[in-house]
Amino acid sequence: EVRLVESGGGLVQPGRSLRLSCAASGTNIEDYAMLWVRQPPGKGLEWVSIISWNGGTTHYADSVRGRFVVSRDNANNLMFLQMNGLRPEDTALYYCTKVLCSGGTCYAGAFDVWGQGTFVTVSS
Amino acid sequence: QSALTQPPSASGSPGQSVTISCTGTDNDIGAYDYVSWYQQLPGKVPKLIIYDVIKRPSGVPDRFSASKSGNTASLTVSGLQPGDEADYYCCSYGGSSNWVFGGGTRVTV
Repeated sequence: EVRLVESGGGLVQPGRSLRLSCAASGTNIEDYAMLWVRQPPGKGLEWVSIISWNGGTTHYADSVRGRFVVSRDNANNLMFLQMNGLRPEDTALYYCTKVLCSGGTCYAGAFDVWGQGTFVTVSS
Repeated sequence: QSALTQPPSASGSPGQSVTISCTGTDNDIGAYDYVSWYQQLPGKVPKLIIYDVIKRPSGVPDRFSASKSGNTASLTVSGLQPGDEADYYCCSYGGSSNWVFGGGTRVTV
């Protein structure tokens, strides 16, 4: 069974930094593009960032570009999200997820395994 | 990167069908066949139920079906069951390696 487990969330003051981690088990993440998606309390899902299988390509939502950096360590089955210059509106449950791949084909936009999320609260 | 537009709520009686719309633009839903749908049961993580507009992952019952016309995608849940009560989110590729979700629709059975 493929599992993703996020960690690193917590309470942080505005302007400070936090680093989230996503640990995978049951699969080698080097086979997949990986993403971060967040969900503010009581609100909907928001795509945050995507990283290609080898980390060579990364993309960000406008709301976090220039402040957040996604990276991965395939050797240790880990993905990270370095969050700098945090704002109160970044307060959310942060999920890591992976792209569905089957039979040698990966399906863009099909995010098939999700972690339980790690909560980030930005407040003074 | 504006969110896709979904109705905030929808409802139906057990056994009936409910259809949820997801409206985007020429730059996302209208431009790409990368629409997916996610079911989020209360207190749970999102679950992929539709991808590539109409495809169902293994294990998702065929009571869940979807379509797309122009800039609007739709999800239909047939034979509604109490366990289908959840928030449903659409998602589309928005170009330039960006992804956009809808605001979510709460389905009540």
